[in-house]
Amino acid sequence: KAGVTQTPRYLIKTRGQQVTLSCSPISGHRSVSWYQQTPGQGLQFLFEYFSETQRNKGNFPGRFSGRQFSNSRSEMNVSTLELGDSALYLCASGPGHANEKLFFGSGTQLSVL
Amino acid sequence: GEDVEQSLFLSVREGDSSVINCTYTDSSSTYLYWYKQEPGAGLQLLTYIFSNMDMKQDQRLTVLLNKKDKHLSLRIADTQTGDSAIYFCAESIKAAGNKLTFGGGTRVLVKP
Repeated sequence: KAGVTQTPRYLIKTRGQQVTLSCSPISGHRSVSWYQQTPGQGLQFLFEYFSETQRNKGNFPGRFSGRQFSNSRSEMNVSTLELGDSALYLCASGPGHANEKLFFGSGTQLSVL
Repeated sequence: GEDVEQSLFLSVREGDSSVINCTYTDSSSTYLYWYKQEPGAGLQLLTYIFSNMDMKQDQRLTVLLNKKDKHLSLRIADTQTGDSAIYFCAESIKAAGNKLTFGGGTRVLVKP
């Protein structure tokens, strides 16, 4: 079984731009969660999608949004980028039940200049 | 509320056992997890324990859970240089679905 695939691996943007990150979960998994990892704040939960619906949301501003497609692939969008958005964005895949084993992708390293 | 704490750093000699500790505050935790992160990589799920268990063993890994003290530990037997990484503990709470709350991570350095 292929693992969780995140694209692109690296991204450089400038302040004010917007960015879209992609995550393909493990085949058969229906839940996709997104996390932001920074040296200062550590790993923080952004949101979770299940069956194309946002099931849970963290404490991030509205500039951070996501969606999930019928094939369970998910995208995350950040608009009006700020320097503080520079981070490793990790996607986690799960079968879909609550409180289950989650498997992470390698992440997208976003740098905002 | 949710809060997960870990010590920052652990140094261990190759062949010795490593013990990484974690404390959490939410008594409604359902699962507790240990993840490993190597430089430039994502998170690798090492093991997990359900909150009604006290211990779980999986090859070189032993997880101990003390629910009274809200203390979780991961013991790695016969530590190898390939075990050098950052280790994160995380909790999930029944009401929060698949949202994980992570500790700050413990950097483990294995010396030959």
